Amino acid sequence: DVKVTQSSRYLVKRTGEKVFLECVQDMDHENMFWYRQDPGLGLRLIYFSYDVKMKEKGDIPEGYSVSREKKERFSLILESASTNQTSMYLCASSPNSVSYEQYFGPGTRLTVT
Amino acid sequence: SQQGEEDPQALSIQEGENATMNCSYKTSINNLQWYRQNSGRGLVHLILIRSNEREKHSGRLRVTLDTSKKSSSLLITASRAADTASYFCATDFTGGGNKLTFGTGTQLKVEL
Repeated sequence: DVKVTQSSRYLVKRTGEKVFLECVQDMDHENMFWYRQDPGLGLRLIYFSYDVKMKEKGDIPEGYSVSREKKERFSLILESASTNQTSMYLCASSPNSVSYEQYFGPGTRLTVT
Repeated sequence: SQQGEEDPQALSIQEGENATMNCSYKTSINNLQWYRQNSGRGLVHLILIRSNEREKHSGRLRVTLDTSKKSSSLLITASRAADTASYFCATDFTGGGNKLTFGTGTQLKVEL
């Protein structure tokens, strides 16, 4: 069965802390994505990756960075967390084909105080 | 923004009734997908319709696509309490690469 896991379901951090959110998929998918979800705004793409060590900015990359050292793992990094980064963070993966679906992890609800 | 928009934002119906949600988008697409999200969880893929298709069925789900109007609809027939969730459309727009643009979602509540 297809599986995308995220390191934490709930996370509370202080302003200024460096935060790591990790995502692992077991489907050998080429593509991986990080979204944030806020009420009334839907899902917004932060960063995505087509391959190992490759990354591209999404719609809202400011304040975030990513790392993909292995195919199955995609990390989202908040270099210096701020209160406006309090949100639900969703990771997804997909195969590299013409018509595809994305498989989502359960999400990490991050609160920055 | 390329983001799609769902309509209505919220919908409340009785069990057994049909639920219809609409999605509008702005640019040419390769395909359009619908996802469901149960409260506080990740999204689950429901159905994909390609730009050259007009209608698709999957169980109690029926999706239509009108590329001339840049719109899609999702119909859930004979709804159940377990269908209570948020529903999102997502577009793979032409030239966008292997990424999806999600709408803001419709919150569906099915009451017993």
